[in-house]
Amino acid sequence: GAVVSQHPSRVICKSGTSVKIECRSLDFQATTMFWYRQFPKQSLMLMATSNEGSKATYEQGVEKDKFLINHASLTLSTLTVTSAHPEDSSFYICSARKAGDTDTQYFGPGTRLTVL
Amino acid sequence: GENVEQHPSTLSVQEGDSAVIKCTYSDSASNYFPWYKQELGKRPQLIIDIRSNVGEKKDQRIAVTLNKTAKHFSLHITETQPEDSAVYFCAARLQNTGGFKTIFGAGTRLFVKA
Repeated sequence: GAVVSQHPSRVICKSGTSVKIECRSLDFQATTMFWYRQFPKQSLMLMATSNEGSKATYEQGVEKDKFLINHASLTLSTLTVTSAHPEDSSFYICSARKAGDTDTQYFGPGTRLTVL
Repeated sequence: GENVEQHPSTLSVQEGDSAVIKCTYSDSASNYFPWYKQELGKRPQLIIDIRSNVGEKKDQRIAVTLNKTAKHFSLHITETQPEDSAVYFCAARLQNTGGFKTIFGAGTRLFVKA
């Protein structure tokens, strides 16, 4: 149990376009979801925390208008990279937390975004 | 600015030995310290975390200790096994007037030799 999926796994887009990444908890209800990004062979960076039905809490330095996060249901959160540029190319990873479980995060497989 | 230093960058141990990874943070307002494990080519895992009101936390073979005065925290893995081989990232999270900020260490690559 506790499977998290992401779609797409890879996406290539042109500079200036927007890209939506989906994160789904397949067999549990996720009251909280997290979005991370990771550059190749580098450390993680937490972008935001989203709670179902409320606005996401962005980490300092993350552009809210550029990285739109929606957590409209207990099984789905989306990250939209708006007006993408080559510097947004990265690996985006989501994780989800079950209701009442503050110790565990279940990670998705990640989405590799390449902006040309 | 806020910073988290992680040492060592690479650690090689013999199977069965203990491994210790240390992180030092700069902002005393940090109050949450998670540790992540990422095996090569795989998704990260949150393996253990500790909050600033606790000095130590254990979960089977792993433990984390926190010294708020010295502003450092450590991950301890006992009886290491080959499957412990991975990159480990520490992080320190704080909240100030600007909101939340989680600062990650650069990572420690742990090799456990069979």
